[in-house]
Amino acid sequence: DAKTTQPPSMDCAEGRAANLPCNHSTISGNEYVYWYRQIHSQGPQYIIHGLKNNETNEMASLIITEDRKSSTLILPHATLRDTAVYYCIVRPRVLYGGATNKLIFGTGTLLAVQP
Amino acid sequence: SAVISQKPSRDICQRGTSLTIQCQVDSQVTMMFWYRQQPGQSLTLIATANQGSEATYESGFVIDKFPISRPNLTFSTLTVSNLSPEDSSIYLCSVLDAAAYNYGYTFGSGTRLTVV
Repeated sequence: DAKTTQPPSMDCAEGRAANLPCNHSTISGNEYVYWYRQIHSQGPQYIIHGLKNNETNEMASLIITEDRKSSTLILPHATLRDTAVYYCIVRPRVLYGGATNKLIFGTGTLLAVQP
Repeated sequence: SAVISQKPSRDICQRGTSLTIQCQVDSQVTMMFWYRQQPGQSLTLIATANQGSEATYESGFVIDKFPISRPNLTFSTLTVSNLSPEDSSIYLCSVLDAAAYNYGYTFGSGTRLTVV
């Protein structure tokens, strides 16, 4: 799976958009970008994933550059509850019965939402 | 998506003893995984728990230290054996179910182990 690079920490003001970058310059054509977050003392939580088109759900938006070498997770209106470590993971699409359906975590970005 | 019950939520154990952690899922799942999260660190995959067969361990993890069972599609245990203070970590169970192919993996809330 391709390696990802994320800033170790970021701050964001409450109510503002939080933009979390991720570099994945060695991404392969069949690899997706997945985002998870881990709030303190909890298990990781799935946020969103995408291949090449921008994606949006009730939690966040994912913007992937045209060359797919980087992406940005956007939390449109950050709240204090969004303070967490955010992990960007690049891997092939999870397939039913797939032998390589492992999820490998990098170091992530600690997002601190400030009041 | 699946709901995971992981027990115990925390424990304090004496060195040299063992702790068995249980992961119960409310539905049948295709894959189950065990992770370790050392203090201030990211998650490290220990092994994939295979139903009816031996677990598949990642580099650096061995069956004698981390025996895993998975007797059916809804339950797995991880034992951390011969405990030392270096084993003090959070241990997490994760599952991959049909819904997860669109919505991702589901994680338990973890077991916080302190070895004294």
